[in-house]
Amino acid sequence: DADVTQTPRNRITKTGKRIMLECSQTKGHDRMYWYRQDPGLGLRLIYYSFDVKDINKGEISDGYSVSRQAQAKFSLSLESAIPNQTALYFCATSAAGEVQPQHFGDGTRLSIL
Amino acid sequence: RKEVEQDPGPFNVPEGATVAFNCTYSNSASQSFFWYRQDCRKEPKLLMSVYSSGNEDGRFTAQLNRASQYISLLIRDSKLSDSATYLCVVTHYNQGGKLIFGQGTELSVKP
Repeated sequence: DADVTQTPRNRITKTGKRIMLECSQTKGHDRMYWYRQDPGLGLRLIYYSFDVKDINKGEISDGYSVSRQAQAKFSLSLESAIPNQTALYFCATSAAGEVQPQHFGDGTRLSIL
Repeated sequence: RKEVEQDPGPFNVPEGATVAFNCTYSNSASQSFFWYRQDCRKEPKLLMSVYSSGNEDGRFTAQLNRASQYISLLIRDSKLSDSATYLCVVTHYNQGGKLIFGQGTELSVKP
């Protein structure tokens, strides 16, 4: 079983719909992250959480919200999806500390028509 | 200007070749450095950390030049399985593990 699991793996939806992407982890890590990846732009941080009561905006948080329901779960919501949110979304986790590597889920490919 | 810049490539090399990737970063407060590897449509995976004194892991050598704000990755004796996108990643002091990614350099190793 994967240590970091994202659901769904693929999603096609329409403009204006509310969408939730789920992430769960079995690594026991305190820190969780949501990124999006677009061709030519690399990975950009949307939101991150260092523990259950902690939520922080990343580089591109507008149009997104998150919920850290438990240490193992971190969900990303698009309240009213728009086409330029079409991207590959990754969840990642890391242990606490300055130089800990991040471990990524398999990604969610989201298309908004 | 992007905070972490890489030549996007693609680099097309024959098997057995030596190839080097470069990465520059603009924030002098950058603290930790990594190379990640990403296969097509897959998640990024940590390849190696980059230490100030330089470090080697098998066919892979990473170098850091803080004065020039420059990181490199050298791959010797390229294999077909090395074909992937290589992501240069930095973190900043006091930002507790947030990673800043370059856009990646694509490598294609041909038979």
